Amino acid sequence: SQQGEEDPQALSIQEGENATMNCSYKTSINNLQWYRQNSGRGLVHLILIRSNEREKHSGRLRVTLDTSKKSSSLLITASRAADTASYFCATDAQLKGEKLTFGTGTRLTIIP
Amino acid sequence: DARVTQTPRHKVTEMGQEVTMRCQPILGHNTVFWYRQTMMQGLELLAYFRNRAPLDDSGMPKDRFSAEMPDATLATLKIQPSEPRDSAVYFCASGFLVAGDSYEQYFGPGTRLTVT
Repeated sequence: SQQGEEDPQALSIQEGENATMNCSYKTSINNLQWYRQNSGRGLVHLILIRSNEREKHSGRLRVTLDTSKKSSSLLITASRAADTASYFCATDAQLKGEKLTFGTGTRLTIIP
Repeated sequence: DARVTQTPRHKVTEMGQEVTMRCQPILGHNTVFWYRQTMMQGLELLAYFRNRAPLDDSGMPKDRFSAEMPDATLATLKIQPSEPRDSAVYFCASGFLVAGDSYEQYFGPGTRLTVT
């Protein structure tokens, strides 16, 4: 079963705009990760945020985590055509850190 | 540039045939995962290994699927007999401990399986 649910399911924005995707999950976690999947490819790890962190940055990516609401957001600033992909959040169960459960994904399309 | 490799990349087979998918994890990663991705179900964890020992295969139909890791450089996923509903993209991923209890996973390119 899916632990995480991304919102929205699909998002289209103009190049240069910011894109925000949200993820909600159900059980307590050690950390939350975001992955990107280009069409026809495997998933690529983007960023990991630990349960005791509230915000993390990596380049044009900004991730927030609210454990009280069991939710996370991924912000991509100054979007580029190459950012077109599906984005998944993944959570681990507290007792089994290596096992990740992936959400349903947000399909992001950047319009040139 | 270390990568997870999977073979074959594409497989078309007839119902009832045996299918074997192979994965070479990144050297030094101690966990290996098999996932299945479909439009309807999304990404599902089928099984995973730590230090070559199977830890969890609860996501796998046991009557027809089997996963093994005969050595540290090879993981296999076998379907026998295959059925049309097994059509999906199968991903292998290997993971390593980032810090504390957090693992990061590296995915292979996937095997696209079509069962007719």
